[in-house]
Amino acid sequence: QIQLVQSGAEVKKPGASVTVSCKTSGYTFTAYGVSWLRQAPGQGLEWMGWISPYSGNTNYAQKVQDRLNLNIDISTSTAFMELRSLRSDDTAVYYCSRDGGIAVSPTDYWGQGTLVTVSS
Amino acid sequence: DIQMTQSPSSLSASVGDRVTITCQASQDVNTYLGWFQQKPGKPPRLLIYGASNLEMGVPSRFSGSGSGTDFTFTIASLQPEDFATYYCQQYDNLPLTFGGGTRVDLK
Repeated sequence: QIQLVQSGAEVKKPGASVTVSCKTSGYTFTAYGVSWLRQAPGQGLEWMGWISPYSGNTNYAQKVQDRLNLNIDISTSTAFMELRSLRSDDTAVYYCSRDGGIAVSPTDYWGQGTLVTVSS
Repeated sequence: DIQMTQSPSSLSASVGDRVTITCQASQDVNTYLGWFQQKPGKPPRLLIYGASNLEMGVPSRFSGSGSGTDFTFTIASLQPEDFATYYCQQYDNLPLTFGGGTRVDLK
């Protein structure tokens, strides 16, 4: 079955960086994009960016584009999200999701989420 | 960016009730609209894609309709396991954007 398994919770100080991994299985990794989204406590869903494992192309939300880096390791079917210069308002649950692409399909399978807490 | 306006933000209902949620896009998204269910501490679960197509394994009491800018999500007969928060998402263009959510709780 299709699975996306994320790395564990992180606690970081303001100004630090965090990397979250997302190991996929059960489908052809290069056939779908991976979107990263986040959800602040008690808030709605915010899309952060997308990467194509096939081409390596990326697209970032304007709000985080200067601090976000998305990468992949095709050999292990794993996607990575690095967020730099963390601030307290980056505290959120971060999700990876399989993304069929614009005008093709929505984000259909999601990881379990990774809580990132930014606190001094 | 395409803004998604979802209403109501919350509603109280009883088991067996018919529940309807609406989502309006700030511009035409064709039928590139999905509906998700989220329970506390869990990731969102895709229920509807293409505005009206039921994802595999999703009960038939869930349905969606609409195209362009106006969309509707309906639960025909609310079940105890349906108390959750529901979101619409447009995937017509990046950035992907979501409605603000509708919390469905027990009356």
